[in-house]
Amino acid sequence: DTAVSQTPKYLVTQMGNDKSIKCEQNLGHDTMYWYKQDSKKFLKIMFSYNNKELIINETVPNRFSPKSPDKAHLNLHINSLELGDSAVYFCASSHRQGAYNEQFFGPGTRLTVL
Amino acid sequence: DAKTTQPNSMESNEEEPVHLPCNHSTISGTDYIHWYRQLPSQGPEYVIHGLTSNVNNRMASLAIAEDRKSSTLILHRATLRDAAVYYCILRDNFGNEKLTFGTGTRLTIIP
Repeated sequence: DTAVSQTPKYLVTQMGNDKSIKCEQNLGHDTMYWYKQDSKKFLKIMFSYNNKELIINETVPNRFSPKSPDKAHLNLHINSLELGDSAVYFCASSHRQGAYNEQFFGPGTRLTVL
Repeated sequence: DAKTTQPNSMESNEEEPVHLPCNHSTISGTDYIHWYRQLPSQGPEYVIHGLTSNVNNRMASLAIAEDRKSSTLILHRATLRDAAVYYCILRDNFGNEKLTFGTGTRLTIIP
């Protein structure tokens, strides 16, 4: 069974469209994350949710809205897509307690905005 | 989070040990040292972490300097599958849960 899964794996869309990426984890973790890896391969945190509550928001534009319907899911909705949103988006999960806990990453969603 | 410095790239021969260095001279007493790696076209995966003592697991060993200002990830017998970007990350035990990735070290394994 896949621990952290994301759908879709690839997403190609036009500028200005609205799209969503879904993430699910079956590890029983209480904290989930979204990371963005840009064209230069720089990987950066976007959001983190703990028990369905937002705990990290790293100055991401308002066009990005994470939604956590339950502890096992964290979806990312993006409005009015721009060329600069093209990147690989990774979902991750972990137990929250302490800096020693490892994060488990999904396989990524490659978003291409044309 | 305190910063880390790693070489941009390294090469190693297959089936030989690999020592990946990381400098973290501004590390604080509550920072854990984590290593993650990212294989081509995959998400990052956890490798190992430590606080003060050297650590071993099935994937690698982590050697931490006595003053904790540097550490070395040791792959005992590199295989082609170990070719990846390796990230050394400090995480404050009293900070938030995010991982702050640097540029990492791109490890190439020569058959």
